[in-house]
Amino acid sequence: AQKITQTQPGMFVQEKEAVTLDCTYDTSDQSYGLFWYKQPSSGEMIFLIYQGSYDEQNATEGRYSLNFQKARKSANLVISASQLGDSAMYFCAMRGAYYGQNFVFGPGTRLSVLP
Amino acid sequence: NAGVTQTPKFQVLKTGQSMTLQCAQDMNHNSMYWYRQDPGMGLRLIYYSASEGTTDKGEVPNGYNVSRLNKREFSLRLESAAPSQTSVYFCASREQGAVDEKLFFGSGTQLSVL
Repeated sequence: AQKITQTQPGMFVQEKEAVTLDCTYDTSDQSYGLFWYKQPSSGEMIFLIYQGSYDEQNATEGRYSLNFQKARKSANLVISASQLGDSAMYFCAMRGAYYGQNFVFGPGTRLSVLP
Repeated sequence: NAGVTQTPKFQVLKTGQSMTLQCAQDMNHNSMYWYRQDPGMGLRLIYYSASEGTTDKGEVPNGYNVSRLNKREFSLRLESAAPSQTSVYFCASREQGAVDEKLFFGSGTQLSVL
């Protein structure tokens, strides 16, 4: 069975600094995808970034990058130059590549950006 | 672009009452999902529909039923609500196919069962 672990229930970061949110996963599949979603206090789920298991380069989307270490089964989200609007819950999720497999979500990390 | 629309946004029920959460997507996606979100537990899959005409149980299906009315609409029904079903419910959809197809979420329904 697939599982996502996010060991940081809450994190604080100073505005304009970088922060890393941890995510480790467990799967026996060779082909899978890793996703990060942001949930601000308004409640909606916002897709941030995707990394495929066969991607050789770490994914980047603006200030977001994914530190993908396949051998360690980790997919940490790095937010550079934090902004007050980055304060939110962040969820790591994965999905196997095979038909019928569904997304598995971690418990989330609450990030608070301090002015 | 509406994306995924779910109603209502808020609902308060008494134990034993029934209700249906509605969800519709306008992206022509094949797959639709219902999740519940509880503190410290992330999102857990209740039911999903891989394509029109099919539905399957997810991780926490007890106490719920679903209907895939057509390709656009996927409803979730609580027949006899219990306090344990107090949660935030999300509908989501995605295009079937490649592993990089992400989930698109509705805005959520906050349900309280007293």
